[in-house]
Amino acid sequence: EIVMTQSPATLSVSPGEGATLSCRASQSVSSNLAWYQQKPGQAPRLLIYGASTRATGIPARFSGSGSGTEFTLTISSLQSEDFAVYYCQQYNNWPRTFGQGTKLEIK
Amino acid sequence: QLQLQESGPGLVKPSETLSLTCTVSGGSVRSSGYYWGWIRQPPGKGLEWTGSIYYSGSTYYNPSLKSRVTISVDTSKNQFSLKLNSVTAADTAVYYCARQFVVAYFDYWGQGTLVTVSS
Repeated sequence: EIVMTQSPATLSVSPGEGATLSCRASQSVSSNLAWYQQKPGQAPRLLIYGASTRATGIPARFSGSGSGTEFTLTISSLQSEDFAVYYCQQYNNWPRTFGQGTKLEIK
Repeated sequence: QLQLQESGPGLVKPSETLSLTCTVSGGSVRSSGYYWGWIRQPPGKGLEWTGSIYYSGSTYYNPSLKSRVTISVDTSKNQFSLKLNSVTAADTAVYYCARQFVVAYFDYWGQGTLVTVSS
């Protein structure tokens, strides 16, 4: 099983600033990586797939990069609605696995 | 707009079987290239994929649950279902159903339903 490790566990950032979230795979997943956003009491929402392709309706301030074992989700100019928990998920190997999440909180 | 809705008991006794159904509206479970999956999230914890099914009946299961889980599809009702037997308190979680693009990422999710395992 591929283990996905996200860092940091919690990130405190002020609105208007940028944020960089990391996700590391225990072995290569090529570009088969997705990012999700989850707000309290809500289902996750797909943000990025293919490591860097934004899902339908996702603002351009969200961008993904990386391949192999190292991935990054960057959010430029944080809006109030961006404070949430973010998960990465690999779909290169079975079973599909998620990271443990990064909580993005208001500083 | 595609919508998914989970339904089923919110409380299950230990050692019994957890049964949930996901009803799909605004689209068809027979859509080519799309699998239909179940993901769970214990309270305050992360996400765990449990399994996925294609309308043909082809399934993939998480090995950690494989001996206890069954996913089925009813194309006539546009639904798919999850059964997890011999449950324990560790199976307490919010269970989400979701559409999965080519067994890859999940692009539409249900709102989730909390299932508590307790006597």
